[in-house]
Amino acid sequence: RKEVEQDPGPFNVPEGATVAFNCTYSNSASQSFFWYRQDCRKEPKLLMSVYSSGNEDGRFTAQLNRASQYISLLIRDSKLSDSATYLCVVNDNSGNTPLVFGKGTRLSVIA
Amino acid sequence: NAGVTQTPKFQVLKTGQSMTLQCAQDMNHEYMSWYRQDPGMGLRLIHYSVGAGITDQGEVPNGYNVSRSTTEDFPLRLLSAAPSQTSVYFCASSYSADNTEAFFGQGTRLTVV
Repeated sequence: RKEVEQDPGPFNVPEGATVAFNCTYSNSASQSFFWYRQDCRKEPKLLMSVYSSGNEDGRFTAQLNRASQYISLLIRDSKLSDSATYLCVVNDNSGNTPLVFGKGTRLSVIA
Repeated sequence: NAGVTQTPKFQVLKTGQSMTLQCAQDMNHEYMSWYRQDPGMGLRLIHYSVGAGITDQGEVPNGYNVSRSTTEDFPLRLLSAAPSQTSVYFCASSYSADNTEAFFGQGTRLTVV
């Protein structure tokens, strides 16, 4: 079974803090990488894709390190609304293989 | 555009009962899948389909059946419910299995007593 590993947390951080999550994957053939966000008792939703050159979207930055087989998510200036579980997702782009989800990292931003 | 619609949202079953969880998408996506999510276990793939008439097993298929007679619909059948199937079930769809965004339904919270 191809695996995606994440620290489950929880990460408890104050508002305004910078927090980073890492995710490691075991399948070296993985080609596509994503971060999904899941709010409590809600469905997962795509937060951002992770490109080889890195990807930034406002306060969120995602990085890929193929040599070490990990991806990261950095959240700057944390908001209360960032409190959620962040899921790391990979795919080998073979055309027939489902996305592989990590178990998620829980973030709580505290006022 | 409704996206992915799952019904019902909540369900309580008695052990041994059967039922079908419905999933429909209106985005003309070829790829659809069913996951269950349990505390501490993350999302686990039950079954998936790469197109109408094609289904395959995921990580935890036992006790579940699926069919894909149309592009839009991908129902999940519980054959004989067991307490171990108490979980939150999510249906998802995407344009293809490759590097594209997966859209999830709102989930079905199933309790088997």
